[in-house]
Amino acid sequence: NAGVTQTPKFQVLKTGQSMTLQCAQDMNHNSMYWYRQDPGMGLRLIYYSASEGTTDKGEVPNGYNVSRLNKREFSLRLESAAPSQTSVYFCASSQTSGGAAGNTIYFGEGSWLTVV
Amino acid sequence: KQEVTQIPAALSVPEGENLVLNCSFTDSAIYNLQWFRQDPGKGLTSLLLIQSSQREQTSGRLNASLDKSSGRSTLYIAASQPGDSATYLCAVPMTTDSWGKLQFGAGTQVVVTP
Repeated sequence: NAGVTQTPKFQVLKTGQSMTLQCAQDMNHNSMYWYRQDPGMGLRLIYYSASEGTTDKGEVPNGYNVSRLNKREFSLRLESAAPSQTSVYFCASSQTSGGAAGNTIYFGEGSWLTVV
Repeated sequence: KQEVTQIPAALSVPEGENLVLNCSFTDSAIYNLQWFRQDPGKGLTSLLLIQSSQREQTSGRLNASLDKSSGRSTLYIAASQPGDSATYLCAVPMTTDSWGKLQFGAGTQVVVTP
């Protein structure tokens, strides 16, 4: 019953350091997403992958890169962390990215990232 | 660009009272609208999804309505319980061809007091 698993749960970085957030899903979903959530704001889409081998930018992609390693895994990389990237990051997955009744999206529990 | 707004940002009610949560969106050409629940320190859980052709959707004590012409959705939670305390977010797809790319509201934080 793992669903969507994110690692690490908490991380503190210094400005300029790099790190990768890992995400894996065990539901055989085709589509995966990375969102960030800031205080007082809803979630904003960073990148998504409609299917294995494809990735595309979302609303706030600057400062991030992604890799769809295989169907299960979708990682988010910060090459040179900045204080503005302090946020809670959520990975999500769904069967497809196209519309279909019953196509539910599942979220991981989040990764808390602080850049000092 | 689609904008999604949720008012109020926070709400406190005594146990047993009905909850009414509002969500408004600027572009009525939505594919669907979804309501999520977020517990502190946790991810989001999908509660209800209303397709654009539907007027409402029900699940247990939860009922969500959709009025595309006015750009509004309302989530009703009947007979609230302390376990309903959480943040509730609504979201609509950014485009009609990519359902999982969601535009979220900022959420309404609900506290139900015993």
